[in-house]
Amino acid sequence: EVQLLQSGGGLVQPGGSLRLSCAASGFTFSSYAMSWVRQAPGKGLEWVSGIFGSGGSPDYPDSVKGRFTISRDNTKNMLYLLMNSLRVEDTAVYYCSKDGAQWGQGTLVTVTS
Amino acid sequence: DIQMTQSPSTLSASVGDRVTITCRASQSISSWLAWYQQKPGKAPKLLIYKASNLESGVPSRFSGSGSGTEFTLTISSLQPDDFATYYCQQCNSYPLTFGGGTKVEIK
Repeated sequence: EVQLLQSGGGLVQPGGSLRLSCAASGFTFSSYAMSWVRQAPGKGLEWVSGIFGSGGSPDYPDSVKGRFTISRDNTKNMLYLLMNSLRVEDTAVYYCSKDGAQWGQGTLVTVTS
Repeated sequence: DIQMTQSPSTLSASVGDRVTITCRASQSISSWLAWYQQKPGKAPKLLIYKASNLESGVPSRFSGSGSGTEFTLTISSLQPDDFATYYCQQCNSYPLTFGGGTKVEIK
């Protein structure tokens, strides 16, 4: 059974940093591209990052480019999202996802002074 | 970046109704489109991939069609469990982008 178990998140001040983690199991992790998707309170879904199975070609929308960094450790079946220079507008529930077919449970990131 | 436009943003319907949601891409994405259902407080659920392929376990009343820039999600006979918000997402190229969502409400 595919499982994606997220950790990290919480409360942080504007300008601060946070790292989200996603532990994958039940599939050959290195064979799949992975993504992070977020949802601000009462808003729609926003894709914030993706990375190929090999770890190459990460990409980001302009809203987070230069501030967020996605990475993965295929030896540990782990996906990460390092978020720097956080803004109030980054407040959201963050999900990791495999192919859109499997999702983590979501983790709330709140950026507030 | 490819922009995805969904319509309508809200839809009021009754149990048993046939419901159609439209998604338009700002440029051709071939058939690289997915449809999701989301309920409050839950992660999205994949319904359709590659425009018209039904994800395993999804009821056959859901169907998808289209290619290029115009896509539709159809629910043939709306059931009580189907009242939710639906999103399209283009999977053609990074950055992946979602439509704004369609909330299906009880009429």
